[in-house]
Amino acid sequence: GAVVSQHPSWVICKSGTSVKIECRSLDFQATTMFWYRQFPKQSLMLMATSNEGSKATYEQGVEKDKFLINHASLTLSTLTVTSAHPEDSSFYICSAIGLATLQETQYFGPGTRLLVL
Amino acid sequence: SQQGEEDPQALSIQEGENATMNCSYKTSINNLQWYRQNSGRGLVHLILIRSNEREKHSGRLRVTLDTSKKSSSLLITASRAADTASYFCGTQGGSEKLVFGKGTKLTVNP
Repeated sequence: GAVVSQHPSWVICKSGTSVKIECRSLDFQATTMFWYRQFPKQSLMLMATSNEGSKATYEQGVEKDKFLINHASLTLSTLTVTSAHPEDSSFYICSAIGLATLQETQYFGPGTRLLVL
Repeated sequence: SQQGEEDPQALSIQEGENATMNCSYKTSINNLQWYRQNSGRGLVHLILIRSNEREKHSGRLRVTLDTSKKSSSLLITASRAADTASYFCGTQGGSEKLVFGKGTKLTVNP
């Protein structure tokens, strides 16, 4: 149990376009989802925390107008990178927790690799 | 700034040997979690240890927690080539979010 999926697994886009990444909890209801980004050979940096039905809480230094997060249901959260630029190229990973995970253990998706040309 | 700091940053061992990785953190925690990440993939949860626990086992994994020293260790016994991955510790404090260290890159040579 506790499976989280992400789509797409990789995406290449042109500078200035917007890209949407989906994160789904497949077998449990996710009360909270988290979005991270990871640069090569580095650790995960938390970008934002989203709770179903409310606005996301962004970490310091993360532009909320650039990284739009929507958590419309207990199984789906989306991250939209607006007006993407090459410096937004990164590995984006989501995770989810819920009552089934005792609100403690985060289960991660497989990640989405974004390349902005 | 990162809450956790793993050491060593990289570790290379032979198959069958034990691998020990350490994690230090700075503030009080509710629990500490270890994750594995294969190259280019998401994180896989390995084990969670709560602040009132000192040691926990899961298969070939053994985790210790010393809250007085704000440190934890992950021991993988009888390592296999398939254990090759990066290992991260994440700490959970007053909120649900995890703060990760920089990770230890483990290479197990066959």
